[in-house]
Amino acid sequence: ESVLTQSPGTLSLSPGERATLSCRASQSVSSNYLAWYQQKTGQAPRLLIYGASNRATGIPDRFSGSGSGTDFTLTISRLEAEDFAVYYCQQYGTSPLAFGGGTTVEIK
Amino acid sequence: QVQLQESGPGLVKPSETLSLTCTVSGGSVSPFYWSWIRQSPGKGLEWIGFIYYSGPTNYNPSLRSRAKISIDTSKNQFYLKLYSVTAADTAVYYCAREKYYLDPFDIWGQGTVVTVS
Repeated sequence: ESVLTQSPGTLSLSPGERATLSCRASQSVSSNYLAWYQQKTGQAPRLLIYGASNRATGIPDRFSGSGSGTDFTLTISRLEAEDFAVYYCQQYGTSPLAFGGGTTVEIK
Repeated sequence: QVQLQESGPGLVKPSETLSLTCTVSGGSVSPFYWSWIRQSPGKGLEWIGFIYYSGPTNYNPSLRSRAKISIDTSKNQFYLKLYSVTAADTAVYYCAREKYYLDPFDIWGQGTVVTVS
């Protein structure tokens, strides 16, 4: 069973700054089937990135994903007000599907 | 567009059965995979299991002995039963869709809070 560890737990940044979030898997993610989700308070998670680096429909290009194997990164190039939220990674390459513990991006 | 809506009791007594329904609107349950996921402060996001529209299921081993997912294609609904619940099962329960096997969750319901007490 793959365990996903996200870091840092909290990222304090200002609008316009670059955010770099990390997700590390305890075993190689099959076919780089790694997704990123954004969750705002009181809402369901929203798919941002799939296949490690593909943006989901309607996701702005300031969001980008990279990585392979066990190390993955979500980058938000220039934070906008609506980007302050919690971000989760998820591997869907092997069962059981698993999520990371989340990174909170908060306003500094 | 496709929307999902969870429904069911918000309060369940310990040792009883949690029963939830997810209603799919704006589209068909066919030919997709449908999952239940829960979120609690203590355990974060936890995938419970999925059902394919034609019936096959797959569960998280951590819940396999207590969870059952079923589907009614005529009603465009799928269901979760979680048996012998304890306080640890208190969570927000989401239903979600995977378009294909081994796919991310592209559509989520709004979630429903279930408290075991």
